[in-house]
Amino acid sequence: EIVLTQSPATLSLSPGERATLSCRASQSVSNYLAWYQQKPGQAPRLLIYDASNRATGIPARFSGSGSGADFTLTISSLEPEDFAVYYCQQRSNWPRTFGQGTKVEIK
Amino acid sequence: EVQLLESGGGLVEPGGSLRLSCAASGFTFSNYAMSWVRQAPGKGLEWVSVISGSGMTTYFADSVKGRFTISRDNSKNTVYLQMNSPRAEDTALYYCAKDRGPGLTTFCDCWGQGTLVTVSS
Repeated sequence: EIVLTQSPATLSLSPGERATLSCRASQSVSNYLAWYQQKPGQAPRLLIYDASNRATGIPARFSGSGSGADFTLTISSLEPEDFAVYYCQQRSNWPRTFGQGTKVEIK
Repeated sequence: EVQLLESGGGLVEPGGSLRLSCAASGFTFSNYAMSWVRQAPGKGLEWVSVISGSGMTTYFADSVKGRFTISRDNSKNTVYLQMNSPRAEDTALYYCAKDRGPGLTTFCDCWGQGTLVTVSS
């Protein structure tokens, strides 16, 4: 099973700042990685798929990069609605796995 | 508008059984794989299972393999998760989710609101 390790566990930032979230895989997943956002009491929302493709309706301030085993989600300028938990997921191998999440909180 | 509505959750005893349902609308159901993803209280996401659009192909997480089955009825636009011999660690909010496609990517672009399963005696 591929283990995805996200860092940091918590990121404390102010609105308008840049957020950089990391997801590292225990082995290469090529570019088969997605990022999700989850707010309290809500279902997850797909942000990025296949490492760098924004899902439908996702603002341009969200971008993904990386390949192999190291990936990054960048939020260029945090909006108030971006404070949430972010998860990465791989689709390279079965079973599919998620990272443990990074919480982006207001500083 | 794509909508997914889960049902069937509740309290179940360890070793019992429970069937979750997810009714879909707003898209051509048979064209898309469907997944179940769960989230234990206060914890992260865990992928559980996926079924192809035709229903011919399924995959499971190791933690549920041999105990859970997934199926779908494309005439009813519904996907099911049959939970047999549930354990306390299966207690979670179970989400139904639509694959963005094509194929079994398991990258899900639409999610239901979840149905809560509690396994306890």
